Amino acid sequence: EVQLVESGGGLVKPGGSLRLSCAASGFTFSSYSMNWVRQAPGKGLEWVSSISSSSSYIYYADSVKGRFTISRDNAKNSLYLQMNSLRAEDTAVYYCARDIRYSYGFDYWGQGTLVTVSS
Amino acid sequence: QSALTQPRSVSGSPGQSVTISCTGTSSDVGGYNYVSWYQQHPGKAPKLMIYDVSKRPSGVPDRFSGSKSGNTASLTISGLQAEDEADYYCCSYAGSYRVFGGGTKLTVL
Repeated sequence: EVQLVESGGGLVKPGGSLRLSCAASGFTFSSYSMNWVRQAPGKGLEWVSSISSSSSYIYYADSVKGRFTISRDNAKNSLYLQMNSLRAEDTAVYYCARDIRYSYGFDYWGQGTLVTVSS
Repeated sequence: QSALTQPRSVSGSPGQSVTISCTGTSSDVGGYNYVSWYQQHPGKAPKLMIYDVSKRPSGVPDRFSGSKSGNTASLTISGLQAEDEADYYCCSYAGSYRVFGGGTKLTVL
């Protein structure tokens, strides 16, 4: 059974940093591109970042470019999101999501981890 | 990276059909056959319902179907059931990024 479990969320002050993790199991992690998608309270979904299976291709939304860094460790079946220079508008539930093999879409999602940026 | 345009809300009675539209540009929806649709119930993670414009993952009822014409994609739900009441989001691949629609709240009357 495919499982994605996020961790690392919490309360952080504006300008602070946080590192999210996503532990994957139940599939060959190294064969899939992975993503972070966020959802601000009461708002819609927003794609944040994608990373290819071997980390060769990395993409970011304009809203986080230069502040967030996506990475993965295929040996540990883990996906990460380093978030720096956090702003109030980064407050959201952050989901880890797997890309469909050989396509673009998110077929499995984690339960999400809440990041709150507030003084 | 502008969001795709979806109606804020749609509604229908049990057994009826509803269609949710998703309008983008030639740089996203119109440029690629990689539109996907997600269902989200309150407090839950999104669930993939349609990918590659019209493909259904295993386990998704065939009451759900997708299509695309030009820069607009559509999700049609036929034979509405109470459990279909949820938020629905479209998403398109756009080369170096992905873009979601603003979401549509489906109410089953």
